[in-house]
Amino acid sequence: GAVVSQHPSWVICKSGTSVKIECRSLDFQATTMFWYRQFPKQSLMLMATSNEGSKATYEQGVEKDKFLINHASLTLSTLTVTSAHPEDSSFYICSAGRGGGNEQYFGPGTRLTVT
Amino acid sequence: QKEVEQNSGPLSVPEGAIASLNCTYSDRVSQSFFWYRQYSGKSPELIMSIYSNGDKEDGRFTAQLNKASQYVSLLIRDSQPSDSATYLCAGVTGGSYIPTFGRGTSLIVHP
Repeated sequence: GAVVSQHPSWVICKSGTSVKIECRSLDFQATTMFWYRQFPKQSLMLMATSNEGSKATYEQGVEKDKFLINHASLTLSTLTVTSAHPEDSSFYICSAGRGGGNEQYFGPGTRLTVT
Repeated sequence: QKEVEQNSGPLSVPEGAIASLNCTYSDRVSQSFFWYRQYSGKSPELIMSIYSNGDKEDGRFTAQLNKASQYVSLLIRDSQPSDSATYLCAGVTGGSYIPTFGRGTSLIVHP
């Protein structure tokens, strides 16, 4: 149990376009999902916390108008990178919390390359 | 002090040895603790969770929590080259569900 999927696993887009990344909890309901970004050889950086049916909470320094998060159901959250630029190229990872113990289960990640 | 601190390593151990990974935390992070393993280019994978003082064993892994000294550790017995990865320590603040991650410790198990 506790499987989280992400789609797509990798994407290449042109500068100025938008990209949507989906995160799904496959075998459990996740009231809360988290979005992270990780640059090569660096630690995870929490971008935002996504709660089903409400607005996402963004970490300091993360532009909410650039990184649009929607948590439409208990099993699906999406991250849209709007007007992407090469500096947005990174590894984007979502996670979903299950149970009362605050355990998080990570999706496999989406590697975004903006050309 | 950062909320969750780890030595970045790398920690190098020979195959078959015990690898000991340590993590310290601040007063704010006090409720639940987790160890994740992250292979290069992959996302983190939960390997252990611990909520109370003492040891918790799962196969070759043992997590240890000492709340008085504010540290949590992970022991890997009979280390294998496949254990070579970055190990992330995470804690959750009481009353919150948002985890705080350490920067991770790189473990290298050499044959």
